[in-house]
Order: sequence, then structure tokens, then C-alpha cells
Amino acid sequence: GENVEQHPSTLSVQEGDSAVIKCTYSDSASNYFPWYKQELGKRPQLIIDIRSNVGEKKDQRIAVTLNKTAKHFSLHITETQPEDSAVYFCAATLLYNQGGKLIFGQGTELSVKP
Amino acid sequence: EAQVTQNPRYLITVTGKKLTVTCSQNMNHEYMSWYRQDPGLGLRQIYYSMNVEVTDKGDVPEGYKVSRKEKRNFPLILESPSPNQTSLYFCASSSTKAINQPQHFGDGTRLSIL
Repeated sequence: GENVEQHPSTLSVQEGDSAVIKCTYSDSASNYFPWYKQELGKRPQLIIDIRSNVGEKKDQRIAVTLNKTAKHFSLHITETQPEDSAVYFCAATLLYNQGGKLIFGQGTELSVKP
Repeated sequence: EAQVTQNPRYLITVTGKKLTVTCSQNMNHEYMSWYRQDPGLGLRQIYYSMNVEVTDKGDVPEGYKVSRKEKRNFPLILESPSPNQTSLYFCASSSTKAINQPQHFGDGTRLSIL
């Protein structure tokens, strides 16, 4: 079945450095790739998403790139700040019939050290 | 305020005692779903619904039931809870039937089955 692999599972960076989280997916029909941030004890919140007709999207310090041929997409956070510390989840759509669902990666715990 | 509301937020109960976790959204969203979150496994979809009276299984539906009698409500029912259903549960909704739209999550329900 559809699988989304996310790496690394933990990531520690110094404040001001960049952080990169990578995901791979298996369903070539996937067309939507969101990223969610989950702070401790809180709900996941969408931080950025990308659709299959776009190769890159940027929103201030956050960017996402998509390589459809290789079936992988990445989250890039520049100039990291302590408030970026959280668990980040990638996801990809699994489409079938008239419906579909989101398959999530296992999560990356990002720690930004002051 | 646009939101997804889950109740209860916390529940400790015993094996075999039926329970219902309610979920309600006030955004007139078509798509609703339930996820469970376990350490190292990310978010796994239990059930989803694309419209009133339309529900379908996600990746881990065993031991759960849902219903969608009204557009705004999507309760999760555990008919005979077991300890392996101890988890953090999230309800989510998105605006259209298509899964390729941002998911809005509730605050979560932490269930402990003894």
C-alpha cells in the first residue's frame, strides 16, 4: 500500500542554522503534499503545502521542494529559531475512486538550541 | 471562530465499556476524518467521511465505528475498548470532498483504556 517515509526522526540544530526534513512517497498519483507542525501537547497545524504541478513553494523562512520523478519532497527551514522546535509531519495523498486519504510520515522532532 | 471541537479532551476508562468521542466543526466542511497518534507511528487514519451518510475505512479501522448523520458532526465510537486503543485521537475536517485540501485539526482526545 501507499507509504510515506520521513527522515530524520530527530534533528538538532543551532539557532540560525538551516534544517531540512525529507519525505518519500510511493503512489505516483499523489498530488498534494502538506507539512504540519505540532508543538508539544497541541494539535497539528498546517505550515505549508505543495501541489504536484509545482516544484517549489516558499513562505518566508519555510520552503518545500517536490521531485515527482524521484517521488520525494523536502521541508527547508532557514534561520531557525527556538520557537521552530516541534514535531513536523509530512503527508501525501492517496487517491482512489471518488475519494482519498492522507498518509502521514512518522514525524521529525526538531530541536533548535539557542 | 472557525474550529473543530472534540470532547472529551481526556478520558480514562476500562476495557469493554463503550465510549463515544464527539467531533463537531462549524466551517460547513465536507470531509471529516479521525486519526490516532502513537509514538513513532505518526498520524494514522481510522475512518473518514466525504459527505453525510458516506463513510469509509482508513488504515486502522478495527475496533472503531463512526457515523455521519449531520454534516457538522462525526463521532468516533469504541464499542468494546481494549488497552491497545490507548492513544491520542484527532478529528480533522477539510472544505471539500477532495482530500487535497488543508486539514483543520481539533485539539485532540487522550484516551487511556485500562
